[in-house]
Amino acid sequence: DTEVTQTPKHLVMGMTNKKSLKCEQHMGHRAMYWYKQKAKKPPELMFVYSYEKLSINESVPSRFSPECPNSSLLNLHLHALQPEDSALYLCASSQEGITGVNYGYTFGSGTRLTVV
Amino acid sequence: GQQVMQIPQYQHVQEGEDFTTYCNSSTTLSNIQWYKQRPGGHPVFLIQLVKSGEVKKQKRLTFQFGEAKKNSSLHITATQTTDVGTYFCAGTGTASKLTFGTGTRLQVTL
Repeated sequence: DTEVTQTPKHLVMGMTNKKSLKCEQHMGHRAMYWYKQKAKKPPELMFVYSYEKLSINESVPSRFSPECPNSSLLNLHLHALQPEDSALYLCASSQEGITGVNYGYTFGSGTRLTVV
Repeated sequence: GQQVMQIPQYQHVQEGEDFTTYCNSSTTLSNIQWYKQRPGGHPVFLIQLVKSGEVKKQKRLTFQFGEAKKNSSLHITATQTTDVGTYFCAGTGTASKLTFGTGTRLQVTL
């Protein structure tokens, strides 16, 4: 299995809702990432998990809460989002955590989130 | 913080023409990666360069890493309509974080 699977593919939520994005990989990768991508912009790093521990939080607002239940799963819990949080949320994984050497990232197809 | 810029932002070519995108970092990089994102798709890893001055080829694609490890380029020979998409470089700096470049959107027409 050489894929990163993200669910749901599309999500519309109100500003008072609570929802979760899910990401799964079975490649044995020990680093997992959440990125946010706005239209016609590059992906922006949100969180990095290395060996199931949060290692980087790019000053992301607390309305985004990551969770790594095990080495194959990564969740992003959403609460009280704003319309400007609407974007494509990408999960990725790679062979190695942040030890100064990065390997190629495998991205999931993303969750297209709309906040209304 | 680390910034990675790409030029041009957009290029439109006729099928069969060559294409080059350039990537420049504000800081020295330990390695550079290249990704392709098709319209409506997700980034797909193409290649990684690690050594100063390194050149790698994948069929019609040639990737270079600058001597100072602050810049890189991707050259596509004889473009095809299947090359359409946005090409991102992504560099690893001192913080070991992968920072994506601003991207170059390539449009290829017959």
